[in-house]
Amino acid sequence: QSALTQPASVSGSPGQSITISCTGTSSDVGGYEYVSWYQQHPGRAPKLIIYEVSNRPSGASNRFSGSKSGNTASLTISGLQAEDEANYYCSSYRSNSALVFGGGTKVTLV
Amino acid sequence: EMQLDESGGGLVKPGESLTISCAASGFTFTIAWLSWVRQAPGKGLEWVGRVRSKSHGGTPDYAAPVRDRFTISRDDSKNTVYLHLNSLKTEDTAVYFCTAEGYGYGYHAVDIWGRGTMVTVSS
Repeated sequence: QSALTQPASVSGSPGQSITISCTGTSSDVGGYEYVSWYQQHPGRAPKLIIYEVSNRPSGASNRFSGSKSGNTASLTISGLQAEDEANYYCSSYRSNSALVFGGGTKVTLV
Repeated sequence: EMQLDESGGGLVKPGESLTISCAASGFTFTIAWLSWVRQAPGKGLEWVGRVRSKSHGGTPDYAAPVRDRFTISRDDSKNTVYLHLNSLKTEDTAVYFCTAEGYGYGYHAVDIWGRGTMVTVSS
């Protein structure tokens, strides 16, 4: 089963906004509103930051926002801060009952 | 505090078996769908499988690469979920995270994560 497609890396300057894409198919991202996003710092467990495409769990920064169009979901981080340097993963429910993750995107501040 | 604590990882040889455990605390284990997610060294996240709550049938689902080799079970009396790894391959080397899927935040969002346990498969 193929992973969802994410860019390997995205960079931005402090205070800027960046967007990470997550492309799947009509059997996963395009077919369900069950897209989530996770932030993972090195050596740590991932942390849920967006669920069901655009909802933020309690404790997640309001600088994170999610959206979806067709088979592509997106995560936008606004007002980029040093603490946002991390790896970001999307996930989606798939029609065969599996959960599938994206390959991950490393966010770097320049 | 909602917590998941994995144990039982280690070094095994190709073809051998291993069982890792995950003890839960701080939330209602019986209604949780428990999933395992793994991460090979320097690589991304990979969903391994899940076991549903008993009220949803208690049935498992597995990712294709492990379907015929791994088994997930749960013991609600012990608030513990298990991952039984059989016929291990070198490519199964990874940190294995115990997680809860869709517990507090929507369906199929992995909202509770353990710290992970390392499984190394090497001769």
